[in-house]
Amino acid sequence: SQTIHQWPATLVQPVGSPLSLECTVEGTSNPNLYWYRQAAGRGLQLLFYSVGIGQISSEVPQNLSASRPQDRQFILSSKKLLLSDSGFYLCAWSVGGGWETQYFGPGTRLLVL
Amino acid sequence: GQQLNQSPQSMFIQEGEDVSMNCTSSSIFNTWLWYKQEPGEGPVLLIALYKAGELTSNGRLTAQFGITRKDSFLNISASIPSDVGIYFCAGQPIIQGAQKLVFGQGTRLTINP
Repeated sequence: SQTIHQWPATLVQPVGSPLSLECTVEGTSNPNLYWYRQAAGRGLQLLFYSVGIGQISSEVPQNLSASRPQDRQFILSSKKLLLSDSGFYLCAWSVGGGWETQYFGPGTRLLVL
Repeated sequence: GQQLNQSPQSMFIQEGEDVSMNCTSSSIFNTWLWYKQEPGEGPVLLIALYKAGELTSNGRLTAQFGITRKDSFLNISASIPSDVGIYFCAGQPIIQGAQKLVFGQGTRLTINP
């Protein structure tokens, strides 16, 4: 069966510091991968998605970047965090080919102070 | 961009009552999904719908893919305390490509025992 992992679970970082959040998927090959951000009590905002190694699509201009160095690894990064980067970051995967049922990881709560 | 109108935004009910929530769109969708999210966790898939008119049940949950392909509803029968959480609808719009979902803003369900 497939599983998705995110770490860290919680992160407190000062403004201006770098960020690296990691997401890995097990039990499937060539998944589509997604990064979402969720503000408190709000819906999900798609940040990036990837259909393959090295292929990244950005949905909104922002202070963040994403990379996919391996088939089942997706990384969310920032060189300098802003206060507005605080939120709950969710990684998700789906099987490609048009059936876009997405499965979410446990999330990382980021607080920028 | 694409938007889903999810209603109601919140519900306060007594244990044992039935619950109904829905999502509508101005565009046609290929897929409708319903997720539940509990505090501090990632959304969990409840029901996936792939065909117009499809009616699917998962225990006490029932969801339908509207005939017009522009709406979906989720019903919960005989609510219990563990049903508390935020319910999100999501859809794959036909014009947006196969990789992405659009999410509703969520329905927050609170149950009084």
